[in-house]
Amino acid sequence: GAVVSQHPSRVICKSGTSVKIECRSLDFQATTMFWYRQFPKQSLMLMATSNEGSKATYEQGVEKDKFLINHASLTLSTLTVTSAHPEDSSFYICSASLQGGHWPSYEQYFGPGTRLTVT
Amino acid sequence: GEDVEQSLFLSVREGDSSVINCTYTDSSSTYLYWYKQEPGAGLQLLTYIFSNMDMKQDQRLTVLLNKKDKHLSLRIADTQTGDSAIYFCAERQAGTALIFGKGTTLSVSS
Repeated sequence: GAVVSQHPSRVICKSGTSVKIECRSLDFQATTMFWYRQFPKQSLMLMATSNEGSKATYEQGVEKDKFLINHASLTLSTLTVTSAHPEDSSFYICSASLQGGHWPSYEQYFGPGTRLTVT
Repeated sequence: GEDVEQSLFLSVREGDSSVINCTYTDSSSTYLYWYKQEPGAGLQLLTYIFSNMDMKQDQRLTVLLNKKDKHLSLRIADTQTGDSAIYFCAERQAGTALIFGKGTTLSVSS
């Protein structure tokens, strides 16, 4: 089946620095990628929807200048957490859609997640 | 707005059946999903059901949908210790992102 990878799987950074997380679709082209954030024992919260070649659409309450998303190609989307703070520590998960999020229904594949810890 | 609710914990013995329940509020949801998340890992799609279906069975998994009550359940037959994980219910309309519940932690004891 379709495989989505994320890199790095785990990162620890100092407060005030920026961290980039990559999401790649390995064997298919993803016109749409989604970025989620998951707090411990919480649900996945959609942060933004990323379409290749256009600006990402952010969910309400998500700062677009803090969480920079770039979807430069059909196989790669990046999330950069700028000027990270301890409250940004979380599990970040991306998913990629085979056909732009439309039919068929089960085409959204998830990456393994990136654990970000800001000290 | 959309909301998906699940009970947070379920504990069963190995070999028993597990039933995880979920309710949702968006009556226009087109697809409903069950995902499994093992510790420190991403999400694995277990199964899905279209909103015009009442039931779907896939090996040990049975999904029941009561559209009138907006209630979805996942039954795992012959639960094994390897089934211990967090199970997320999710819903969406065509072309939109998934809306997830908070997840049900299933603990299977031998």
